[in-house]
Amino acid sequence: DAGVIQSPRHEVTEMGQEVTLRCKPISGHNSLFWYRQTMMRGLELLIYFNNNVPIDDSGMPEDRFSAKMPNASFSTLKIQPSEPRDSAVYFCAIPIAGGSREQYFGPGTRLTVT
Amino acid sequence: GENVEQHPSTLSVQEGDSAVIKCTYSDSASNYFPWYKQELGKRPQLIIDIRSNVGEKKDQRIAVTLNKTAKHFSLHITETQPEDSAVYFCAAINSGNTPLVFGKGTRLSVIA
Repeated sequence: DAGVIQSPRHEVTEMGQEVTLRCKPISGHNSLFWYRQTMMRGLELLIYFNNNVPIDDSGMPEDRFSAKMPNASFSTLKIQPSEPRDSAVYFCAIPIAGGSREQYFGPGTRLTVT
Repeated sequence: GENVEQHPSTLSVQEGDSAVIKCTYSDSASNYFPWYKQELGKRPQLIIDIRSNVGEKKDQRIAVTLNKTAKHFSLHITETQPEDSAVYFCAAINSGNTPLVFGKGTRLSVIA
């Protein structure tokens, strides 16, 4: 099963608060991608990991965003402090095993910053 | 880096008609082109993909064509049904462990 668990599914927080989004592939994966989706900008890559190491974080908007992947079964995306413009749906995705190029998306976290 | 353009941004068709969504890409090294369907409030899900060594691929009512020379690829949905209504994203990639580069999406509405 290439399932991905994301938590929380919905988060509403006030501007200035710290937000931590979590991604847990059901089967461990050494590669993982964080995307952000908004109406204005569509699906944007924020950061991705290979072998648990961040490879490209050029999509991270600014220093308020940070991400970690301490092991093949867990990753976090943290926003500190949060701002209203961070409101979006955040997806993590993993490559399907077995040589396929398919990337499987988690259900997403809908973040609202008021 | 890769840049993917997608058109149109919105598309309305009558039930039973065909729908075509077109994408262009910039990086000639890209060799895998998936299409994702995203229903309201749900995650993007792969519906069909094509690799650069193939010009066309079909799966029931959906088909994808690829023109490597022109760097174009298209999604064709025939005999559209209301449940085809969703946002469709094209993407391009040249390596299995690198990120997908997405188009901006096409909101397809199938009118019964």
